Amino acid sequence: NAGVTQTPKFRILKIGQSMTLQCTQDMNHNYMYWYRQDPGMGLKLIYYSVGAGITDKGEVPNGYNVSRSTTEDFPLRLELAAPSQTSVYFCASSTRGTNQPQHFGDGTRLSIL
Amino acid sequence: DAKTTQPTSMDCAEGRAANLPCNHSTISGNEYVYWYRQIHSQGPQYIIHGLKNNETNEMASLIITEDRKSSTLILPHATLRDTAVYYCIAHTGTASKLTFGTGTRLQVTL
Repeated sequence: NAGVTQTPKFRILKIGQSMTLQCTQDMNHNYMYWYRQDPGMGLKLIYYSVGAGITDKGEVPNGYNVSRSTTEDFPLRLELAAPSQTSVYFCASSTRGTNQPQHFGDGTRLSIL
Repeated sequence: DAKTTQPTSMDCAEGRAANLPCNHSTISGNEYVYWYRQIHSQGPQYIIHGLKNNETNEMASLIITEDRKSSTLILPHATLRDTAVYYCIAHTGTASKLTFGTGTRLQVTL
């Protein structure tokens, strides 16, 4: 039972570099989400998707891009890394409809130096 | 999502029941009460949720007051591995953000 898998687990980037955080789920969930969690804080929604080809902005989308070409995968791209993007990034998924919990991956810890 | 209020921290002896309270006095009729926990450095883990009836699963029980303004998460026999931050969230369960507040830090001790 893999659930939601995120790679890499850790990464250090230099300012201005770009990278893609990978997220895949094997539960056939329609909905997927990207959150970030800064130290000592709650999670903030970056982007979400209700199905392949459909994405929408969350609370803090600036500096990020997403795509959803398949049901399973929802990658998050940082184009020009900035120190303010140092955070832990969590991907989550849920099935369609109301009354559905979100299931989270173990996160990617990203440091921008 | 309706605002929820939880105590900042609680202690519980191993083997005893841990009762974690949550106030959600402005919860709307279509919002469920969800509980998640986050063990250090891991992703949030879904525990249980309910609308107005009490719920029980293999992890915990959820007691919701009749007026739905508050609820209690019960871990019947707490273990050291239950040490975590517990979040109570009012949410419709649709495709939208979960609002994680500061939660309750539960420390289970020997």
